[in-house]
Amino acid sequence: DGGITQSPKYLFRKEGQNVTLSCEQNLNHDAMYWYRQDPGQGLRLIYYSQIVNDFQKGDIAEGYSVSREKKESFPLTVTSAQKNPTAFYLCASSIGQVGPYEQYFGPGTRLTVT
Amino acid sequence: GENVEQHPSTLSVQEGDSAVIKCTYSDSASNYFPWYKQELGKRPQLIIDIRSNVGEKKDQRIAVTLNKTAKHFSLHITETQPEDSAVYFCAASRGDNYQLIWGAGTKLIIKP
Repeated sequence: DGGITQSPKYLFRKEGQNVTLSCEQNLNHDAMYWYRQDPGQGLRLIYYSQIVNDFQKGDIAEGYSVSREKKESFPLTVTSAQKNPTAFYLCASSIGQVGPYEQYFGPGTRLTVT
Repeated sequence: GENVEQHPSTLSVQEGDSAVIKCTYSDSASNYFPWYKQELGKRPQLIIDIRSNVGEKKDQRIAVTLNKTAKHFSLHITETQPEDSAVYFCAASRGDNYQLIWGAGTKLIIKP
């Protein structure tokens, strides 16, 4: 199960607190992604990054922020501005750059905010 | 905007029978179509993919077909087994770049 890791597996926070989810990959991939998955729904793109120090908003970026200071790392911060943050968060990576390639997923972080 | 529709949302088949899941996409520039399998509480994993210059691809009991004219592609699983029970997602590339647009998923139930 190596390659791309996420921590922690479960995370509990009180409403109003920011929380940061970790994502690390050792696949030497250029592109990294954050998705949100809600029960019975597909994967919705939050942010993606094609290269270090550059990232773009996905379809549901409001209330989230990211950074890409290292190729291997793409942490996601869920801010207090996110109205409904409880969800399963998946990080993924792909070779990127030229053309579409397989996305490799981390094991996910289940965030519960009460 | 671009979207991918996936049907059915739930599919129940008898063990040993075949299962077919269908997806349609809207972006005529899409050229990559992967299928992922997600078991309960686990990460999605690629099971098969197809590119737009190919009409069909097979890997043992799994096959994918693509009809670019109609903008739809399908996953076929033959001789289904209990371990095939999972949620299956289709996706299409956003144009010819590396982003994917995802279907809503199909829960496949294999009845013993």
